[in-house]
Amino acid sequence: GDSVTQMEGPVTLSEEAFLTINCTYTATGYPSLFWYVQYPGEGLQLLLKATKADDKGSNKGFEATYRKETTSFHLEKGSVQVSDSAVYFCALSDTFVVADSWGKLQFGAGTQVVVTP
Amino acid sequence: GAGVSQSPSNKVTEKGKDVELRCDPISGHTALYWYRQSLGQGLEFLIYFQGNSAPDKSGLPSDRFSAERTGGSVSTLTIQRTQQEDSAVYLCASSLAGTGNYEQYFGPGTRLTVT
Repeated sequence: GDSVTQMEGPVTLSEEAFLTINCTYTATGYPSLFWYVQYPGEGLQLLLKATKADDKGSNKGFEATYRKETTSFHLEKGSVQVSDSAVYFCALSDTFVVADSWGKLQFGAGTQVVVTP
Repeated sequence: GAGVSQSPSNKVTEKGKDVELRCDPISGHTALYWYRQSLGQGLEFLIYFQGNSAPDKSGLPSDRFSAERTGGSVSTLTIQRTQQEDSAVYLCASSLAGTGNYEQYFGPGTRLTVT
């Protein structure tokens, strides 16, 4: 079945450092890929998405490129801030089975990121 | 506008009791999802409703779990004879599936503690 693997945390960084969170996936169809973020005490929010190979999703200075050849969707940010401290979840939705529907999300385990001043 | 709301925000129950968790999706969203977030299992899909189609129940962990969606809007997740392993945060999400905008919007969750 479909699965998502992401690097374990916590990842601790200093402010203005470069952040990478690795994410790889296994899927039988043609999945869409997502990064969700959960800030302390808040609900899950969509950070960015990519729907097909070579698409780049970006938001709030974060970027991720859908790499079909390596089945990866790594999240990057060039200069993190303390406010980026959160748990980040990589996820996929297999759109193959049901047309015009993203269907259920399959999540990775989540990576906690701690940014210190 | 109003987002996805869930109630109660916290629920403590004794082992063996039944509980009902409620989700109010964003108005106009035809798709509704339930997920569970627990320490041991991470984020797991439970059940998915899309319009009038039969729900996808493939993620429900046992027959003690059931869910319904009345009138294509509000959904209730019911857990019968609760067990300690049911303790988790139950998340509801909705989306405009089928219209070209598929982002899932999540509610704040219901934290269930089974004692």
